[in-house]
Amino acid sequence: GAGVSQSPSNKVTEKGKDVELRCDPISGHTALYWYRQSLGQGLEFLIYFQGNSAPDKSGLPSDRFSAERTGGSVSTLTIQRTQQEDSAVYLCASSPQGALGKLFFGSGTQLSVL
Amino acid sequence: EDQVTQSPEALRLQEGESSSLNCSYTVSGLRGLFWYRQDPGKGPEFLFTLYSAGEEKEKERLKATLTKKESFLHITAPKPEDSATYLCAVQAAIQGAQKLVFGQGTRLTINP
Repeated sequence: GAGVSQSPSNKVTEKGKDVELRCDPISGHTALYWYRQSLGQGLEFLIYFQGNSAPDKSGLPSDRFSAERTGGSVSTLTIQRTQQEDSAVYLCASSPQGALGKLFFGSGTQLSVL
Repeated sequence: EDQVTQSPEALRLQEGESSSLNCSYTVSGLRGLFWYRQDPGKGPEFLFTLYSAGEEKEKERLKATLTKKESFLHITAPKPEDSATYLCAVQAAIQGAQKLVFGQGTRLTINP
């Protein structure tokens, strides 16, 4: 079956521009996560959605970052006024109800801010 | 603050040469410890969940074990296709806490 789909796979932007990254989770998965991975670094938690509950935004690094999940499915991560330090791979993952810690990751969006 | 430290950062082995990867953690009550494998250009792929000290899980040439402070991923007679970055993560047993905290990974290379 289809896995987690992320688009675009690569995004090059200029400093100060806004970008939107999209995630299509696996159908039926109730939980959705965004992480980012900088070169040679581990995964940094950004935000978590679970059903209709309020999202856990505790990992968002600044108010330039926001995310939404529409209809309990597709999610968009928006970065406003991008900075060079925002360059990283942004990974989305989904997880079915009750599957503790078992996340299904997409291949990520490689964001490069020039 | 929950923390995960993996060692070594990188490991090169010959095909058939067994070894172990280490994951040390500090967490305010462990709900679960997880191992993932990540290939270049791809997202991590789930391998194992461990819940309590003394637990072990196996899959092909991999075996994961857990103590109260660390986990080991043992690789027996590895093959070149086992080359990847192995990530360890923990989830705290706190009401409403669902995020996984990841270590920086161990980059494993198996030479034929």
